[in-house]
Amino acid sequence: KNQVEQSPQSLIILEGKNCTLQCNYTVSPFSNLRWYKQDTGRGPVSLTIMTFSENTKSNGRYTATLDADTKQSSLHITASQLSDSASYICVVSGRDMRFGAGTRLTVKP
Amino acid sequence: DAGITQSPRYKITETGRQVTLMCHQTWSHSYMFWYRQDLGHGLRLIYYSAAADITDKGEVPDGYVVSRSKTENFPLTLESATRSQTSVYFCASRGLADEQYFGPGTRLTVT
Repeated sequence: KNQVEQSPQSLIILEGKNCTLQCNYTVSPFSNLRWYKQDTGRGPVSLTIMTFSENTKSNGRYTATLDADTKQSSLHITASQLSDSASYICVVSGRDMRFGAGTRLTVKP
Repeated sequence: DAGITQSPRYKITETGRQVTLMCHQTWSHSYMFWYRQDLGHGLRLIYYSAAADITDKGEVPDGYVVSRSKTENFPLTLESATRSQTSVYFCASRGLADEQYFGPGTRLTVT
């Protein structure tokens, strides 16, 4: 079983709508959690990083939350744009880095 | 150009052939990594390197060989390619705050 589980696997939304992606992890010990955005045909690019003591971090229209007690994180995208269409990958670092399989987001006009 | 580059971007090879994927970074980062990305799986670590001449196995090292004679280069070699090695390969280097910077990827098809 993967130590980092993401849901949903894929999501389709209309431009301008909000959405929330989920990440549950069992990685222990925990160091930090990152969300990456991966455009088709490109490498992943970091959006946010959160450590144990941080609950929320924003990067423009992206807001990540972390509940270290329940080992859950979410990535909320506000007022989606066509350029948000990508895969979003949750990565949890402990002794090593563990990658989720990603959520494929499609934003339609 | 600054950053991390990979070559080739696309490669088709036959079963049993040796293939080398190249990775080059201009930041002089100490740590470099090779991952493979397959549908339904997260990125999986193949090998990593902490510095020139220091390499170590990751999660899925079988069938792969790496070397790192210079800090900026980290080639990955498939000694005898198999169909199960068809994948997208990403090289990464690690900078400040442990952030990893990924290359654009190499899509490898083994026929």
